[in-house]
Amino acid sequence: NAGVTQTPKFQVLKTGQSMTLQCAQDMNHNSMYWYRQDPGMGLRLIYYSASEGTTDKGEVPNGYNVSRLNKREFSLRLESAAPSQTSVYFCASSEGRRGGETQYFGPGTRLLVL
Amino acid sequence: GENVGLHLPTLSVQEGDNSIINCAYSNSASDYFIWYKQESGKGPQFIIDIRSNMDKRQGQRVTVLLNKTVKHLSLQIAATQPGDSAVYFCAENMFSGGYNKLIFGAGTRLAVHP
Repeated sequence: NAGVTQTPKFQVLKTGQSMTLQCAQDMNHNSMYWYRQDPGMGLRLIYYSASEGTTDKGEVPNGYNVSRLNKREFSLRLESAAPSQTSVYFCASSEGRRGGETQYFGPGTRLLVL
Repeated sequence: GENVGLHLPTLSVQEGDNSIINCAYSNSASDYFIWYKQESGKGPQFIIDIRSNMDKRQGQRVTVLLNKTVKHLSLQIAATQPGDSAVYFCAENMFSGGYNKLIFGAGTRLAVHP
């Protein structure tokens, strides 16, 4: 099992450019998540998908959109990148059981917006 | 990522010593707690978890203690090794709004010296 995989590993964008971050999991998990990690701030939830076919906003959704393509894949799109979106982005997945469960994280995508 | 932990508290220990990393959580309704380890350039990796109906759980070389009275969580690492050097995050879980919401602490950097 590869677990959670993310592409690309690194990306440099100019302000206003768009891009899509890809995430896939092979653990047959129901729930998937996108976080961003900034220095000294821990991880903050951008969007999540509790199950296939549903997506909802997290703590910091502005400037992002998501697509739950199927059970395995959950993508994050930046339509018009801004320097404030320079960050490390992590995708995670979990079984989706109620009442406390572990989320498993991918290796991250490092994004620099100039 | 490379910039994770720029302003994090740091715990420095000698190889072979025991390490204790502390965390204060915020919500009395949290029902599940997780410790993650994050090495430079990688995603958070699950170490150990504990449910709110327990006060202690042991793994291999690691022990988590939960004090719900003061909302405090600790991670003890026995016989600390250079490979334990990383940033450690605690996370509290609440089932809210139809999904398992993980709230991460800011993290503590563990530096192990030979």
